[in-house]
Amino acid sequence: AQSVSQHNHHVILSEAASLELGCNYSYGGTVNLFWYVQYPGQHLQLLLKYFSGDPLVKGIKGFEAEFIKSKFSFNLRKPSVQWSDTAEYFCAVIPGGTSYGKLTFGQGTILTVHP
Amino acid sequence: NAGVMQNPRHLVRRRGQEARLRCSPMKGHSHVYWYRQLPEEGLKFMVYLQKENIIDESGMPKERFSAEFPKEGPSILRIQQVVRGDSAAYFCASSYQETQYFGPGTRLLVL
Repeated sequence: AQSVSQHNHHVILSEAASLELGCNYSYGGTVNLFWYVQYPGQHLQLLLKYFSGDPLVKGIKGFEAEFIKSKFSFNLRKPSVQWSDTAEYFCAVIPGGTSYGKLTFGQGTILTVHP
Repeated sequence: NAGVMQNPRHLVRRRGQEARLRCSPMKGHSHVYWYRQLPEEGLKFMVYLQKENIIDESGMPKERFSAEFPKEGPSILRIQQVVRGDSAAYFCASSYQETQYFGPGTRLLVL
């Protein structure tokens, strides 16, 4: 069964620090990849997605992610975090070639940014 | 265009009661998904529905849980005879194409 691993459960940073959150998936075929963010008390919001094309994708709020097929990875990055980035971040996968279907989520990474 | 709506936002039930969770997809979306988030865990897929059809229910517990998405009205996730282990956040998502958009969730607490 396919799975998604997020290596860090809790990351603590100071404002202006750089961020990289790891995400690896286990699925041999084509995949569609997503990062969602859940701010405290709010619902999941889409940060960015990758379906095909340029493996470096840019999302909202200055986030970007790089798809590295050989490493089965889709790490999330931001050069300079802000206090308002404090949230939980989820990586998710859906098999490519299908337009619809269930998302498989990682366990989530809680990011705490100190001012 | 309103987002995915879920109600109630919070629901308290005693053991043995029934819980009904509602989800209204975004306008124009005909695909609905339900996910459950247990404490300290990520979201787990439960069921995927289109209008009047269950497409994939591989994540649904075998007993007490059911879901529907009728031709008219919201999608309903129904939990019969709730137990404390059902306490969780239940999220609904809808999609038109590949991207799923999530509602605010219903937080179910079973006493």
